[in-house]
Amino acid sequence: GDSVTQMEGPVTLSEEAFLTINCTYTATGYPSLFWYVQYPGEGLQLLLKATKADDKGSNKGFEATYRKETTSFHLEKGSVQVSDSAVYFCALLNNNAGNMLTFGGGTRLMVKP
Amino acid sequence: DTGVSQDPRHKITKRGQNVTFRCDPISEHNRLYWYRQTLGQGPEFLTYFQNEAQLEKSRLLSDRFSAERPKGSFSTLEIQRTEQGDSAMYLCASSLGSGSQYFGPGTRLLVL
Repeated sequence: GDSVTQMEGPVTLSEEAFLTINCTYTATGYPSLFWYVQYPGEGLQLLLKATKADDKGSNKGFEATYRKETTSFHLEKGSVQVSDSAVYFCALLNNNAGNMLTFGGGTRLMVKP
Repeated sequence: DTGVSQDPRHKITKRGQNVTFRCDPISEHNRLYWYRQTLGQGPEFLTYFQNEAQLEKSRLLSDRFSAERPKGSFSTLEIQRTEQGDSAMYLCASSLGSGSQYFGPGTRLLVL
């Protein structure tokens, strides 16, 4: 079945540091890929998405590129802020296998001033 | 606020009791999803509706769980005879067709 693997956290960075959170996936066909962010005590917010190979999703300074050759969708940000501290989830939607999102385990990011 | 809303936000119950959660999707969205998230894990799919029809159910959805969306708008998720293992965050999401899914704030359930 489909699966998503994320780097384990927590990831601890100083403010203005460069962020990379790795995400790789296993799926049949051509899934859409997503990053969601979850702040403490809240639901998930859609951060960005990409629907086909080589697409780049971007939002609020975050970017991720759909790499089919490496089955990856790594999340990057050039300069993190304390307010970016949250848990980040990578997910895929495979329309060939139902309409549910398959999530990775999440990566907690802590940004220190 | 036109986002997905869920009620209640928190529920504490004793083992063996029944609980019911409600989800109101974004008004024009025809698809509604339920997920469960345990501590430190990513959400896991439970079931989804297109309009009032329940089209998919996960193997996670035991016969103690039932979901409805009677008029194709709000949905309810009922858990009968709750067990301690049911303690989790229950998340609702909605989408317009196969578009992006937008999540509500969740209902955190604690079964004592």
